[in-house]
Amino acid sequence: RKEVEQDPGPFNVPEGATVAFNCTYSNSASQSFFWYRQDCRKEPKLLMSVYSSGNEDGRFTAQLNRASQYISLLIRDSKLSDSATYLCVVRGSGYSGGGADGLTFGKGTHLIIQP
Amino acid sequence: DAGVIQSPRHEVTEMGQEVTLRCKPISGHNSLFWYRQTMMRGLELLIYFNNNVPIDDSGMPEDRFSAKMPNASFSTLKIQPSEPRDSAVYFCASSPQVRGGSPLHFGNGTRLTVT
Repeated sequence: RKEVEQDPGPFNVPEGATVAFNCTYSNSASQSFFWYRQDCRKEPKLLMSVYSSGNEDGRFTAQLNRASQYISLLIRDSKLSDSATYLCVVRGSGYSGGGADGLTFGKGTHLIIQP
Repeated sequence: DAGVIQSPRHEVTEMGQEVTLRCKPISGHNSLFWYRQTMMRGLELLIYFNNNVPIDDSGMPEDRFSAKMPNASFSTLKIQPSEPRDSAVYFCASSPQVRGGSPLHFGNGTRLTVT
């Protein structure tokens, strides 16, 4: 089983719709969780951290489910500018090869918002 | 604020040549990471430093790869000799600390093509 797994998509969504995607992780000792956004041919940029109680930042809501070992990202009222690849990042301890206290990136979910 | 600065932005070289990638982390960040990104494998951690000391280099593909951090404001990743399979985007990232909930801040990346 992969350490951090995401559906690669692409998710094709009409502008204004709500879209959600999940990320599953294999190490139950993971401590920190993030969503990054990466535009084509650009560097990954932090979108938001994910807190145990869930958190919201404008149109974006992140949730953590430790029992099922997944995090989710919900985007409401999607905009054309939301088109990007969304990377799930898990940070914890004990990953082999993960380094950096187990910082591991998923391969990303490709989102396309259509006009 | 200046972000993580990488150079060069693009590098095209012939197989067998030496390649040196450079990174200047954000001032005050004491952790520095080198990543490689390809379509097939996504983002892979190659090596990371804490307070200029290499902590984990288990992600370095083979002896052709080496990384140094002579001081808090500069790091290099060297490939010698380079091979076509090394073609990828190489990202440098920095963070205030290795452990805990600090996210990474990425540079613009170096797009390496080895022919």
